[in-house]
Amino acid sequence: AQKVTQAQTEISVVEKEDVTLDCVYETRDTTYYLFWYKQPPSGELVFLIRRNSFDEQNEISGRYSWNFQKSTSSFNFTITASQVVDSAVYFCALEGPGADGLTFGKGTHLIIQP
Amino acid sequence: DAGVIQSPRHEVTEMGQEVTLRCKPISGHDYLFWYRQTMMRGLELLIYFNNNVPIDDSGMPEDRFSAKMPNASFSTLKIQPSEPRDSAVYFCASSSAPTRRVAEQFFGPGTRLTVL
Repeated sequence: AQKVTQAQTEISVVEKEDVTLDCVYETRDTTYYLFWYKQPPSGELVFLIRRNSFDEQNEISGRYSWNFQKSTSSFNFTITASQVVDSAVYFCALEGPGADGLTFGKGTHLIIQP
Repeated sequence: DAGVIQSPRHEVTEMGQEVTLRCKPISGHDYLFWYRQTMMRGLELLIYFNNNVPIDDSGMPEDRFSAKMPNASFSTLKIQPSEPRDSAVYFCASSSAPTRRVAEQFFGPGTRLTVL
């Protein structure tokens, strides 16, 4: 069975601080895919990144960066110089090799205070 | 492309009534997923289709729930009869995986269902 754990229920930081959201996953598959989605207060789910299990390279996109470590089954997400618009619930998700649907973590509610 | 379209965006109904949620996936996508989001259980997969065929409905909570995909551009999720515990946001998502490599799922805006 697959499982995704986001231990941080809520994080509150002041604008311009860096913040890291943790994600730990469990799977028996050797091939799998990891995702991050953002859910702003408006409620939609916005895709941020997909990473496959073969590629442990870290990725940076503007103020966002992702650290994938297979050895610790973690896929952490860092926002540098946070902004109020980053306030949202962030979900980490896992999918097996067969495009069979996402297993989501419970989400981390990120609050960026001005 | 217009993205994944869901209707209605909000639905309020009384216990015992039939509810039908609708989804139009992104054109060309051959996978369609239905998810439910509640405070207690978070986001959970209900059912998914590949090329209009239901592949896995193990997440459907009860026989009161049913889903169909009569063609590549339309799917429905029906609850009959509805109960207050069905109140949730229901998301539809679609993706394309032509080489069996997983692609990102694009989500619709969701339908917020309230059963009184």
